[in-house]
Amino acid sequence: NAGVTQTPKFRVLKTGQSMTLLCAQDMNHEYMYWYRQDPGMGLRLIHYSVGEGTTAKGEVPDGYNVSRLKKQNFLLGLESAAPSQTSVYFCASRATGPTGELFFGEGSRLTVL
Amino acid sequence: GDSVTQMEGPVTLSEEAFLTINCTYTATGYPSLFWYVQYPGEGLQLLLKATKADDKGSNKGFEATYRKETTSFHLEKGSVQVSDSAVYFCASYNQGGKLIFGQGTELSVKP
Repeated sequence: NAGVTQTPKFRVLKTGQSMTLLCAQDMNHEYMYWYRQDPGMGLRLIHYSVGEGTTAKGEVPDGYNVSRLKKQNFLLGLESAAPSQTSVYFCASRATGPTGELFFGEGSRLTVL
Repeated sequence: GDSVTQMEGPVTLSEEAFLTINCTYTATGYPSLFWYVQYPGEGLQLLLKATKADDKGSNKGFEATYRKETTSFHLEKGSVQVSDSAVYFCASYNQGGKLIFGQGTELSVKP
């Protein structure tokens, strides 16, 4: 019963390096989201997707790109990492409907030196 | 724009104390409201929710009532346990259909 799985769970990058975070869900959910969590700032939405092949910008999209080529996967990419992107990243998914619960992954802790 | 504001932490309580974490929202209409909990080292998980005014959500001894008059959804528990130590997030759907979160309130319960 996997739910939402994020890989990797930890990563250390140097400034300017690139990387991709993978999110996979096995609940056949249409909607998927990437958030970042920073101390004192709650969760902020980076990008989201309302279905396979679609993506949209959230509150803090700069410096990130996403892709949703398959319904079950949502990838978050950093093309040129910066120290300001040091954070804990959470993926979430939900079914359609106005009151749907979000299901979260366990998080990916990224440090950019 | 739509927003969620919750009381700042950290909140430190002794075991069996009464807990209240305040949450207020601004929104157009009457969005569904949620409380999520994040235990150390884990992702967020739904604690309870309410989908319309005057609804009461409850789970694991926690309760919250959707008050449209005061635009509030305060979280309460009559007797906290050490295992309740976590970060609690209030959230609501905005007009664009996205879930927005408060900044989180860290609760620490001492034996």
